[in-house]
Amino acid sequence: GDSVTQMEGPVTLSEEAFLTINCTYTATGYPSLFWYVQYPGEGLQLLLKATKADDKGSNKGFEATYRKETTSFHLEKGSVQVSDSAVYFCALRSMNTGFQKLVFGTGTRLLVSP
Amino acid sequence: GAGVSQSPSNKVTEKGKDVELRCDPISGHTALYWYRQSLGQGLEFLIYFQGNSAPDKSGLPSDRFSAERTGGSVSTLTIQRTQQEDSAVYLCASSLGRNLQETQYFGPGTRLLVL
Repeated sequence: GDSVTQMEGPVTLSEEAFLTINCTYTATGYPSLFWYVQYPGEGLQLLLKATKADDKGSNKGFEATYRKETTSFHLEKGSVQVSDSAVYFCALRSMNTGFQKLVFGTGTRLLVSP
Repeated sequence: GAGVSQSPSNKVTEKGKDVELRCDPISGHTALYWYRQSLGQGLEFLIYFQGNSAPDKSGLPSDRFSAERTGGSVSTLTIQRTQQEDSAVYLCASSLGRNLQETQYFGPGTRLLVL
């Protein structure tokens, strides 16, 4: 079945460092891809999404490009802030997963220190 | 406007008791989803409602779990005879419809602890 694999965390960075969180997926067909973020004590929020190959999703300085050839959707940010500390979830959605359910990766915790 | 709301925010119960968790989706959203977030399993899909169609129950882990959606709006997830492994955060999400491009908006979750 469809699945998402994320890099293990936690990822620990200093403020203003460059961030990459790797995400690869396995799916038949053409899934939509998402990054969700969960800040401490809060619910899941959509960070960005891409619905077709070569699309780039971006929001709050974060970017991810839908790479069909490498089945990847890596999350990047050029300069992280302490306020970016959170858990980041990569997810996909396709009809092959049954209706509209999201399939999530295990999440990657990001810790940014001043 | 108002987002997805869930109640209670926290629930502590004893093993063997039944619990009900409530979700109020965003007004006008026809699709509603339940997920579970637990330490051992990550985020996993439980059940999906779309309008008046039969729900997709493929993610429910056992027959102790059930859910209903009344009037196409509010949903209740019921766990009967709770077990300690049911301890998790139960998340509800809604989306405008079933289009693959539509965003699912999540509620804050109900944290369930089974003693």
